[in-house]
Amino acid sequence: NAGVTQTPKFQVLKTGQSMTLQCAQDMNHEYMSWYRQDPGMGLRLIHYSVGAGITDQGEVPNGYNVSRSTTEDFPLRLLSAAPSQTSVYFCASSSRQPNEKLFFGSGTQLSVL
Amino acid sequence: DAKTTQPNSMESNEEEPVHLPCNHSTISGTDYIHWYRQLPSQGPEYVIHGLTSNVNNRMASLAIAEDRKSSTLILHRATLRDAAVYYCILRDVGTNAGKSTFGDGTTLTVKP
Repeated sequence: NAGVTQTPKFQVLKTGQSMTLQCAQDMNHEYMSWYRQDPGMGLRLIHYSVGAGITDQGEVPNGYNVSRSTTEDFPLRLLSAAPSQTSVYFCASSSRQPNEKLFFGSGTQLSVL
Repeated sequence: DAKTTQPNSMESNEEEPVHLPCNHSTISGTDYIHWYRQLPSQGPEYVIHGLTSNVNNRMASLAIAEDRKSSTLILHRATLRDAAVYYCILRDVGTNAGKSTFGDGTTLTVKP
């Protein structure tokens, strides 16, 4: 059972480039979310999804797009990368029950030069 | 959305108990209290959760105040491997459970 898989683990971009961070889970979880974590800081919610075809903004959505066409996948797109988006990105998934735990991926470390 | 407040940092000696506090004064009746920890260079991992009653598992204990406005994560004997950032979050029912927000957590330092 793989859990939550994030790719790539590391990425370096130039300002203005675009890329997609991949997140996949194999637990049939309805809920998925993306967080960013700046050095020495906590996790901030970027976007989340409560099911295929349903997404919503979190605390810091600007500069990021998401879509959820399948239950398993929840990609995060940076359309025009900026140095301020240098961060570690974590994907999480869970069932819809609030008494069930969140599962996190191992993260993607992104540097924008 | 109900928010949580935690101290920025705490220190403990190895093999001593640690009590990590969390305030959630605007908690709703349907919010579950969850604790996660993040070891260096890793993603957060689940520790424990509860609704109203105190909870124990192999990792820790969770003590919930009677009015539910605060909770305490208890590590009974801290080890060096417990040095991490600990997050207290609330998870509500329905689609709000998908919108789990974290604060900055408490950085626990364990001294040998």
